[in-house]
Amino acid sequence: QSALTQPASVSGSPGQSITISCTGTSSDVGGYNYVSWYQQHPGKAPKLMIYEVSNRPSGVSNRFSGSKSGNTASLTISGLQAEDEADYYCSSYTSSSLWVFGGGTKLTVL
Amino acid sequence: QLQLQESGPGLVKPSETLSLTCTVSGGSISSSSYYWGWIRQPPGKGLEWIGSIYYSGSTYYNPSLKSRVTISVDTSKNQFSLKLSSVTAADTAVYYCARLVDTAMVYDYWGQGTLVTVSS
Repeated sequence: QSALTQPASVSGSPGQSITISCTGTSSDVGGYNYVSWYQQHPGKAPKLMIYEVSNRPSGVSNRFSGSKSGNTASLTISGLQAEDEADYYCSSYTSSSLWVFGGGTKLTVL
Repeated sequence: QLQLQESGPGLVKPSETLSLTCTVSGGSISSSSYYWGWIRQPPGKGLEWIGSIYYSGSTYYNPSLKSRVTISVDTSKNQFSLKLSSVTAADTAVYYCARLVDTAMVYDYWGQGTLVTVSS
């Protein structure tokens, strides 16, 4: 059970859009529509932003969207704001009722 | 509003057993719609799934930790617990407890986390 692959860092200017990728295998990301995305600010617990690939929990801005193609899931943040600067983690359900997280991506708002 | 709170020693000696408890308030741990899990994060590193448990006692563990991990549930106290044996410095991390929604397979509510340091 290997961690999902995310870029270590991404950056963008306020107002721009960025996309964070999350690559797994056919046993996790590609095999199930159970990909989630979490936002984590320093010293805080992760906050759920996207679940089931593209669903947003109540209260999460519609600037956040998710998608999946094959073994790769993506999180897109449009209209970047300073408050979006944080670490982002993807997660996927896998076979045998196990879970796996990505290594995390640090988003910098320039 | 559902709340989860981790508790336990913040310092554990190498080779000993780390023990943490998660107290759930604002909801029942016996609900058939949820599992309950533990996730950890070493300082400056990413998240690692440890395992999860259903109120009936069914457990699922990360294969890399399975030989050292035990997760249990106490429905009378609305709590679930983590035990990790034979700890080393590599087990130093912030440990989070979280609720897993069965239908969406997502951890939606998290505790604030508790730092456990393994050191003599």
